[in-house]
Amino acid sequence: GQQVMQIPQYQHVQEGEDFTTYCNSSTTLSNIQWYKQRPGGHPVFLIQLVKSGEVKKQKRLTFQFGEAKKNSSLHITATQTTDVGTYFCAGPMDSNYQLIWGAGTKLIIKP
Amino acid sequence: EADIYQTPRYLVIGTGKKITLECSQTMGHDKMYWYQQDPGMELHLIHYSYGVNSTEKGDLSSESTVSRIRTEHFPLTLESARPSHTSQYLCASSAQQGWRYTEAFFGQGTRLTVV
Repeated sequence: GQQVMQIPQYQHVQEGEDFTTYCNSSTTLSNIQWYKQRPGGHPVFLIQLVKSGEVKKQKRLTFQFGEAKKNSSLHITATQTTDVGTYFCAGPMDSNYQLIWGAGTKLIIKP
Repeated sequence: EADIYQTPRYLVIGTGKKITLECSQTMGHDKMYWYQQDPGMELHLIHYSYGVNSTEKGDLSSESTVSRIRTEHFPLTLESARPSHTSQYLCASSAQQGWRYTEAFFGQGTRLTVV
């Protein structure tokens, strides 16, 4: 069946370093969504990408959707403590538009 | 801020008890979901609904049941709680736009502990 794989599972960075998480789908996606979940919180929608090759920016966050619409990435420049949390990607299934979620990448700031 | 509410936020309950987790949204969204999530881990879909009187089971086998009698209300019931049900339960909703759905809006979750 359709799968969305997300790597890495964890990324430890020093504050000020960059962070990147990658999503790969087994099939072409009509769109991909990104969410952030703070520790102890619930997922909160960040952005949706729809077009092939699309790049969107939100301050220090850059989101990309691959040309084949099968992969996506989220890059954070110069991480801050407020960036801590788990970042999830999700894409709709072809059959019923049910969201398939990646396993998430946990961003941890080293003390 | 999303208008989707879950109660209770925290619940500690004994094995064998029946419990209902409440979820309500005021956005008029057709689609609603229940996810199970251990802290910081992946989301597992346990039930979803396309609208009133529509309910489907998700990917994760669950001993829970749901109902959708009103658009805004999507309660989850565990007939007999077990320690293996200890987890966080997240309710979400999304709106239909043409042939696709908008992003999911999540409630704050119910953290369930079965002792």
